[in-house]
Amino acid sequence: DAGVIQSPRHEVTEMGQEVTLRCKPISGHNSLFWYRQTMMRGLELLIYFNNNVPIDDSGMPEDRFSAKMPNASFSTLKIQPSEPRDSAVYFCASSLGGAGTDTQYFGPGTRLTVL
Amino acid sequence: GQQVMQIPQYQHVQEGEDFTTYCNSSTTLSNIQWYKQRPGGHPVFLIQLVKSGEVKKQKRLTFQFGEAKKNSSLHITATQTTDVGTYFCRIIQGAQKLVFGQGTRLTINP
Repeated sequence: DAGVIQSPRHEVTEMGQEVTLRCKPISGHNSLFWYRQTMMRGLELLIYFNNNVPIDDSGMPEDRFSAKMPNASFSTLKIQPSEPRDSAVYFCASSLGGAGTDTQYFGPGTRLTVL
Repeated sequence: GQQVMQIPQYQHVQEGEDFTTYCNSSTTLSNIQWYKQRPGGHPVFLIQLVKSGEVKKQKRLTFQFGEAKKNSSLHITATQTTDVGTYFCRIIQGAQKLVFGQGTRLTINP
């Protein structure tokens, strides 16, 4: 199994540009999570999908952030327009069942730098 | 909302010394998970604790869940350089909101 796949691994962009992060969960997993990690705020859950439906998006910072899961094998996290404070490592994770007790498998992350 | 306090934030030890990190919650937890993140890497699941007073071992790692299910600890006996990384606990806030502790960064002097 290839594990959770994220692309790109690194992204450098200028303030105001649109950024799209991509994630392919482990095949057969029903839940997908987007996290953001910074030194200041640690690891934060942004949004959680179950069976392609957003269950909890209370962690999404503001309207500039949006996430979609059009099918069971693909999800995107979009930031438009991007700002320097969005610089962070963004992780995608998947689990077999719901969020409660299942193991989460993390992807390698996308390191985003907004200049 | 329910939060989790993880201490210490940093720990530096000599190789061979023991290490312990703690997670404390103000409310009763349904379960707690522990993850390890190597420098430059991603979080990797270590274990899940569910029962009151539960103790689980993985080689040199010992995980405990408090009797009141409000706290948990991860203890490493005789640390090795491969143990370097940040250790996180993860709880569930409310019905399904996942919250990670701030993590304990372990560095080791060989």
